[in-house]
Amino acid sequence: KAGVTQTPRYLIKTRGQQVTLSCSPISGHRSVSWYQQTPGQGLQFLFEYFSETQRNKGNFPGRFSGRQFSNSRSEMNVSTLELGDSALYLCASSLARGRFGGTQYFGPGTRLTVL
Amino acid sequence: KNQVEQSPQSLIILEGKNCTLQCNYTVSPFSNLRWYKQDTGRGPVSLTIMTFSENTKSNGRYTATLDADTKQSSLHITASQLSDSASYICVVSADNNNDMRFGAGTRLTVKP
Repeated sequence: KAGVTQTPRYLIKTRGQQVTLSCSPISGHRSVSWYQQTPGQGLQFLFEYFSETQRNKGNFPGRFSGRQFSNSRSEMNVSTLELGDSALYLCASSLARGRFGGTQYFGPGTRLTVL
Repeated sequence: KNQVEQSPQSLIILEGKNCTLQCNYTVSPFSNLRWYKQDTGRGPVSLTIMTFSENTKSNGRYTATLDADTKQSSLHITASQLSDSASYICVVSADNNNDMRFGAGTRLTVKP
């Protein structure tokens, strides 16, 4: 079974631009969660999608948004990029949602650099 | 204050030695605790998941323990290998919501 895939793997943008990251979950997984990882803050939860609906949201500004499609693939968008948005963005999928969702499987991440 | 605290922040051991990583949490009410291994530049990989009723769970050379009374967990690595060099992250979920609280991780380096 193919794992979680994320595209692109690396991205360089400048301040003020916007970016869209993509995540394809493991086949059959309906829950997709997004995380931001930085050296200073560690892993931080962005949001979780299940059945095309955002079910849970972390403490991030509205510049961070996402969506999930009917095939469970998910995208996240960051508008008006700031230098502090430079991070590794990780996507994770699981069979069900939240703490009862079972094992979360993470993708390799997208490394975003904002100049 | 983070609800999940991990110690030590970093650790260097020699190949073949054992080590124990600690995770203390204040997340309440408790639902489950997960340990992840994250290699540099890659996504985390799940090692164990433990619920309230479980106090030990093993995955090969990795053994996790949980004391729900003292709100402490440990991850013991036996006969370490060079490939164990990674960050180990403790994640705790609360029973009343779907939030997962992440520790900052312990950076383990295994040297030959």
